[in-house]
Amino acid sequence: DVKVTQSSRYLVKRTGEKVFLECVQDMDHENMFWYRQDPGLGLRLIYFSYDVKMKEKGDIPEGYSVSREKKERFSLILESASTNQTSMYLCASRPVAGGSYNEQFFGPGTRLTVL
Amino acid sequence: GENVEQHPSTLSVQEGDSAVIKCTYSDSASNYFPWYKQELGKGPQLIIDIRSNVGEKKDQRIAVTLNKTAKHFSLHITETQPEDSAVYFCAASPYRYKLTFGKGTLLTVNP
Repeated sequence: DVKVTQSSRYLVKRTGEKVFLECVQDMDHENMFWYRQDPGLGLRLIYFSYDVKMKEKGDIPEGYSVSREKKERFSLILESASTNQTSMYLCASRPVAGGSYNEQFFGPGTRLTVL
Repeated sequence: GENVEQHPSTLSVQEGDSAVIKCTYSDSASNYFPWYKQELGKGPQLIIDIRSNVGEKKDQRIAVTLNKTAKHFSLHITETQPEDSAVYFCAASPYRYKLTFGKGTLLTVNP
């Protein structure tokens, strides 16, 4: 069973704080993703990582950075949290092998509130 | 880039009825169309997908149809049950890894 875990289900931070969201997958998937989910806006891609130390900006990267030092772990970093970054953050992973189209497996999400 | 429109945003049906959710996409290069179901407190989970060389795919009570000419695809759920209540997302993929999601449909199945 594929498992994607996220370090926290709920997180409350103050404006200006540096925030780390951690994601770990246990299926040796090459690709990992960070999405943001807001009511009425669906899922929007923040950053994507092809493989270890590889990253690519998604559709809404402003205010975020990422780190992938190990294959199983992908971190999302908010350098200076702002109230408009209050949201649900979803991590996903995807294998490269097995064809061109592969299911993305999602974690349970981290609900971040920035006060 | 790709743009995916999803309708309706909310859908309420009686148990046993059918439910249909429709999506349109803009990028003719998109060739993979998955549907995800998100239950309360959980991450989205793939329920069915279709590739551009196929017009229809069925898995028990769930079916997806694709019209590439019109650039639209639909999810059909027959004999709905209360456990089908969830948020459903369609998505389109113009490249191997990238998914562009619709805004979601909240389906409520009333017993």
